[in-house]
Amino acid sequence: AQSVTQLDSQVPVFEEAPVELRCNYSSSVSVYLFWYVQYPNQGLQLLLKYLSGSTLVKGINGFEAEFNKSQTSFHLRKPSVHISDTAEYFCAVTPQGSTLGRLYFGRGTQLTVWP
Amino acid sequence: NAGVMQNPRHLVRRRGQEARLRCSPMKGHSHVYWYRQLPEEGLKFMVYLQKENIIDESGMPKERFSAEFPKEGPSILRIQQVVRGDSAAYFCASSPPSTGLYGYTFGSGTRLTVV
Repeated sequence: AQSVTQLDSQVPVFEEAPVELRCNYSSSVSVYLFWYVQYPNQGLQLLLKYLSGSTLVKGINGFEAEFNKSQTSFHLRKPSVHISDTAEYFCAVTPQGSTLGRLYFGRGTQLTVWP
Repeated sequence: NAGVMQNPRHLVRRRGQEARLRCSPMKGHSHVYWYRQLPEEGLKFMVYLQKENIIDESGMPKERFSAEFPKEGPSILRIQQVVRGDSAAYFCASSPPSTGLYGYTFGSGTRLTVV
């Protein structure tokens, strides 16, 4: 079974500050990892994904994430945030090789960027 | 190239009525997934369908909920005799067959309110 833990439910930061949103997962098999962003009253948009290769993954809007297999983590970072980054961020995993394609989500982290 | 289309965007039902949520996948996507997002929680998997087949319904409540993806037309999530606890955002996602590599494309969701 898979589970995802997002350690912070809310992260407030000031504009232009760096931010890290933490994600840890538990799985008995290798997984693919994803970060999604949800703006108010909208659906989820894919920020980035880790499938294989380099453990540092770059996504849209200046975000990046680093896969750490030994720590089973996939933390999301941005060196300088904008007010427009205010949104809910979800970490998700899916087992490699699964034919079911089901995503397991964390509970989400609300990022609020203040001016 | 339209994205995943869900309708209606907002749906209000009285207790005991039926709710029907529709999802049209992206062109070329043959796999549809339904997720439910309860207030202040992450997305929870409900059901995975391919055309005319239910592949995985392990996340569906045992009673009152059903889903279909007919050969022609959108996928339908049906909730019979709705109760207040069914109030949530319901998201549909579609994917090409190799889901693990490409991830999903989500619709904007249907927000169901039961009064």
